[in-house]
Amino acid sequence: QVRLVESGGGLVKPGMSLRLSCAASGFSFSDYYMTWIRQAPGEGLDWISYISFSGVTIYYADSVKGRFTISRDDATESLYLQMNSLTVDDTAVYYCARGDCRGDSCYVDHWGQGTQVTVSS
Amino acid sequence: SYVLTQPPSVSVAPGKAATIPCGGINIGRKSVHWYQQKPGQAPVLVISYDSDRPSGIPERISGSNSGNTATLTISSVEAGDEADYYCQVWDSTSDLPGVFGGGTKLTVL
Repeated sequence: QVRLVESGGGLVKPGMSLRLSCAASGFSFSDYYMTWIRQAPGEGLDWISYISFSGVTIYYADSVKGRFTISRDDATESLYLQMNSLTVDDTAVYYCARGDCRGDSCYVDHWGQGTQVTVSS
Repeated sequence: SYVLTQPPSVSVAPGKAATIPCGGINIGRKSVHWYQQKPGQAPVLVISYDSDRPSGIPERISGSNSGNTATLTISSVEAGDEADYYCQVWDSTSDLPGVFGGGTKLTVL
């Protein structure tokens, strides 16, 4: 069965960096686009980055553009999110998720359990 | 960028039907997907492409989409349906195509 396991979250000070990882299993990782979605405390879902299969297409939300970098390693079936210059507004649960697309629409069909990132001085 | 609007909360008595709207300009021309999130858990896909139910999702949950409003309907609501529900579309004209609505908290009275 599809399994997505995030790691790398934690408590950091403003301005510091973190690298999140997501280990995928149970499906052909290279055939799917992957995405990171976050959820601040008490808030809704916030789609922050997406990477297509083969990494050809990458999107970022304006709120993280220039600070976060998404990447994937199809050989190890892993997804990454390098987060630099973190601010308190980046405090959230970060979900790794698998996307599926048909026609002109894409959606998330599997989610990891999330990893907590807390940015505080 | 494309905006999806959901009411913050909807309340319904057990056994009654709950309808959760998701508004967007000409949303009927897009495919809408719905997620359920219970406290402390990751979201779960409950409806894709307006009205398709993934395996394991009960027939009580259905979706429709027309004009400027998509709707998630839960017939005969149970206590276990209490959760946050999010609609989502893919807007290819946006810098980041994935767009979520703000979410609706469904309370079972």
